[in-house]
Amino acid sequence: DTAVSQTPKYLVTQMGNDKSIKCEQNLGHDTMYWYKQDSKKFLKIMFSYNNKELIINETVPNRFSPKSPDKAHLNLHINSLELGDSAVYFCASSQLPTYEQYFGPGTRLTVT
Amino acid sequence: QQPVQSPQAVILREGEDAVINCSSSKALYSVHWYRQKHGEAPVFLMILLKGGEQKGHDKISASFNEKKQQSSLYLTASQLSYSGTYFCGTEEENSGGSNYKLTFGKGTLLTVNP
Repeated sequence: DTAVSQTPKYLVTQMGNDKSIKCEQNLGHDTMYWYKQDSKKFLKIMFSYNNKELIINETVPNRFSPKSPDKAHLNLHINSLELGDSAVYFCASSQLPTYEQYFGPGTRLTVT
Repeated sequence: QQPVQSPQAVILREGEDAVINCSSSKALYSVHWYRQKHGEAPVFLMILLKGGEQKGHDKISASFNEKKQQSSLYLTASQLSYSGTYFCGTEEENSGGSNYKLTFGKGTLLTVNP
């Protein structure tokens, strides 16, 4: 059983397009996160939700919008994709904010 | 504030020991350690809370000196499976509690050769 799953695993798209990445966790955790890992492996928090409420919103362009329909799901929608958005996006979850985090397998986004 | 990790990279032979350091300029509530293998997701190793505790798990242990705002990860008698990038993540103190945000260092690439 996959604890944290993401779809799709790979996403190749052109500049200007809009895309979404979905994340689901079956661990019963209350907190979910989106991280961006760039080509230099720098892992940076983007958003965090606790019980469907946004608790961390880092300085991320407005083109990125998270949505948490319920505690088990956290989706990331990206408008008007740019070349600099190319990265691996990881979803993670934890029982409470910043407890042990379980990461999903990642979505490799390539913008051409 | 991003913590500083050192060294950036280390190469070991199987059986050798390594120490990875993590330091912050801010007062810390906790330090987390994760390992990421190439092409995979980061995997949790351990959390150390303020109080200067030390933790261990098999041959990997860590310490946290809250006064110095530093943590060290100790890998003893390294195995091939220890290879990967090690990240420390720091949670800053906020009015005696946490700011609920984990900020990762740039990582330390550990390579263990036979």
